[in-house]
Amino acid sequence: QKEVEQNSGPLSVPEGAIASLNCTYSDRVSQSFFWYRQYSGKSPELIMSIYSNGDKEDGRFTAQLNKASQYVSLLIRDSQPSDSATYLCAVSRGNQFYFGTGTSLTVIP
Amino acid sequence: EAGVAQSPRYKIIEKRQSVAFWCNPISGHATLYWYQQILGQGPKLLIQFQNNGVVDDSQLPKDRFSAERLKGVDSTLKIQPAKLEDSAVYLCASSLDVRTEAFFGQGTRLTVV
Repeated sequence: QKEVEQNSGPLSVPEGAIASLNCTYSDRVSQSFFWYRQYSGKSPELIMSIYSNGDKEDGRFTAQLNKASQYVSLLIRDSQPSDSATYLCAVSRGNQFYFGTGTSLTVIP
Repeated sequence: EAGVAQSPRYKIIEKRQSVAFWCNPISGHATLYWYQQILGQGPKLLIQFQNNGVVDDSQLPKDRFSAERLKGVDSTLKIQPAKLEDSAVYLCASSLDVRTEAFFGQGTRLTVV
């Protein structure tokens, strides 16, 4: 079982819609959770970090963490074509930091 | 605040040659990571340093890859000899500690021909 699992997609949404990206992790003692965005040919950039159960909002982005169910999600409201990228979920546990394989998102104008 | 610096940005070498990559993390960041990212895949951790000690190198192909972190700051990753399957982007990242967000450099795109 992988430490972090994501649906590879591709996920396509129309411009202005809500994009929902999901991630599950295997170890209950995982402590910190992150979402990164990676444009083609670029390095990952941090979008959100979340450390406790519940929702965390930053502009059009909302991260949701449910430790009991071991999942973390990212909602992108009012999706824009510029949001088209691969979204990577990352989880920190103890001394280690794990990435998922990423979900490819395409926002259709 | 300056970000993570990596060099070179691009490198093309022939198989069996050697290559080295350099990384300067964000000032004050104790944790440094080297990742390998093959096209279409997520980053794969090669080695993780905490200050100048190795925390995790379980996925580092030690017969050909080596890494060091000098005085707990800069780091170099070396491949010798390179194979065709080493063609990838090598990403360096740093964080204050392992529980906090990591920031990435621009990466080095390696092509082995």
